[in-house]
Amino acid sequence: AQKVTQAQTEISVVEKEDVTLDCVYETRDTTYYLFWYKQPPSGELVFLIRRNSFDEQNEISGRYSWNFQKSTSSFNFTITASQVVDSAVYFCALRAGNRDDKIIFGKGTRLHILP
Amino acid sequence: DSGVTQTPKHLITATGQRVTLRCSPRSGDLSVYWYQQSLDQGLQFLIQYYNGEERAKGNILERFSAQQFPDLHSELNLSSLELGDSALYFCASSAVAGSVSYGNTEAFFGQGTRLTVV
Repeated sequence: AQKVTQAQTEISVVEKEDVTLDCVYETRDTTYYLFWYKQPPSGELVFLIRRNSFDEQNEISGRYSWNFQKSTSSFNFTITASQVVDSAVYFCALRAGNRDDKIIFGKGTRLHILP
Repeated sequence: DSGVTQTPKHLITATGQRVTLRCSPRSGDLSVYWYQQSLDQGLQFLIQYYNGEERAKGNILERFSAQQFPDLHSELNLSSLELGDSALYFCASSAVAGSVSYGNTEAFFGQGTRLTVV
C-alpha cells in the first residue's frame, strides 16, 4: 500500500521565520518519486519539486529546501525567511513504480504566514 | 500556466443532473489523471488514462466515468449528481511521448473545475 502522511494540518508563523513542513511516506516499491505541490488561495496546484528514490541529495532552490531521508521515509520541506506570499496549502505526494502512474497525495498542510 | 486546460472553470447544477468536465493536456503528454478535491477528503485520485486506454482507477464512483479521445483530450462525466459531489475537480497530465522513464516526470495540473451541486 502507498500512503503519504502530513501530520501538520495547519501551521502559522510570523513573516521571516523559517518553517518546516513534514512528510512521511509509505511504499514497498524500490523505485518511487516524491513531489511537493503548492496550492495558493487562488486554487491551482503548482509543482515545486520531484525527487526520485535513488537520489537522496538535499535540494535547495532559493528560499526553499528539501530534505529526503530514506531511513525515516521522510521528505520534509523547509521555507527559509518566510514571506506572506508563501501562504498556501502544501501537498506532499508519492508515485510508486517506474511508470507515470497515479500520484498519491497527502492531506496537505495549510501554512499561514502572518505579517 | 501549466499548459493543462480545463473547462468550464465553474459549474452549478441541480441534484440528479449530469455534467461533463473537459481537459486538454499539455502538448505531447499521453497521460491524463482526474482528481477530486473536497474539503474533508483532500485530493482523491479518480482515474488515469494513457494514450486513450484506462490505466488506473481510484476511488471513482460508478456514477462517474471518463474517457480519453484520440486527440488526447479527456472528459469526466458525472451523473445523478448529489450534494456530496460538490468539489473541485482537477485534471493533470504527464509523460511526454518518448520519455525514457515515464515515472520520472511530474504531473501538471489544470486550474480545476469547481462543481457546485444544489
